[in-house]
Amino acid sequence: ETGVTQTPRHLVMGMTNKKSLKCEQHLGHNAMYWYKQSAKKPLELMFVYSLEERVENNSVPSRFSPECPNSSHLFLHLHTLQPEDSALYLCASSLVGGRGNNSPLHFGNGTRLTVT
Amino acid sequence: DQQVKQNSPSLSVQEGRISILNCDYTNSMFDYFLWYKKYPAEGPTFLISISSIKDKNEDGRFTVFLNKSAKHLSLHIVPSQPGDSAVYFCAASVSNDMRFGAGTRLTVKP
Repeated sequence: ETGVTQTPRHLVMGMTNKKSLKCEQHLGHNAMYWYKQSAKKPLELMFVYSLEERVENNSVPSRFSPECPNSSHLFLHLHTLQPEDSALYLCASSLVGGRGNNSPLHFGNGTRLTVT
Repeated sequence: DQQVKQNSPSLSVQEGRISILNCDYTNSMFDYFLWYKKYPAEGPTFLISISSIKDKNEDGRFTVFLNKSAKHLSLHIVPSQPGDSAVYFCAASVSNDMRFGAGTRLTVKP
């Protein structure tokens, strides 16, 4: 049990489907993140919600849409994805404070997404 | 724009010897550096970190060294154990922006 739970663990979807990834953290953290891990590439930061404020990476296509209803839950809504979007999607959380007050990210086990 | 680089995709060492994993970064604004370990089918787990005001942090068999002038970070594992076999990710952050390297697969042979 990592304290960060992601569902589903595996997802296969067609390019015309709509699906959502879910993440829940039980660590009392106040920031949540979506990362994408493709084969042999660094983890790519997609979205950050910190203190209920969304920080967006402008290079993320609009077919990915995050939602953070509260500090414990994070969703990633998927719509009309492409095969190249197949990857491991990792959720993470952390405790953020003022500048210089750093803490590590705690990751979930990820959702392995395959787009056919 | 890859701001954190791990140039060695793999490393193999003998049990009991030292493992040295290296990492380079380009953004001088990074003020917090971390190493994560990842087993198959699991998310990365935090291993050890270091603030930019320090040049060394030690935790048991794991030591992280930071050379700010060279923008270089390394992780030393000694003695290495077969259970240390995993993918190791270097990360660097400023504020809420944490960037990762591509990882180095460490294999510790019995």
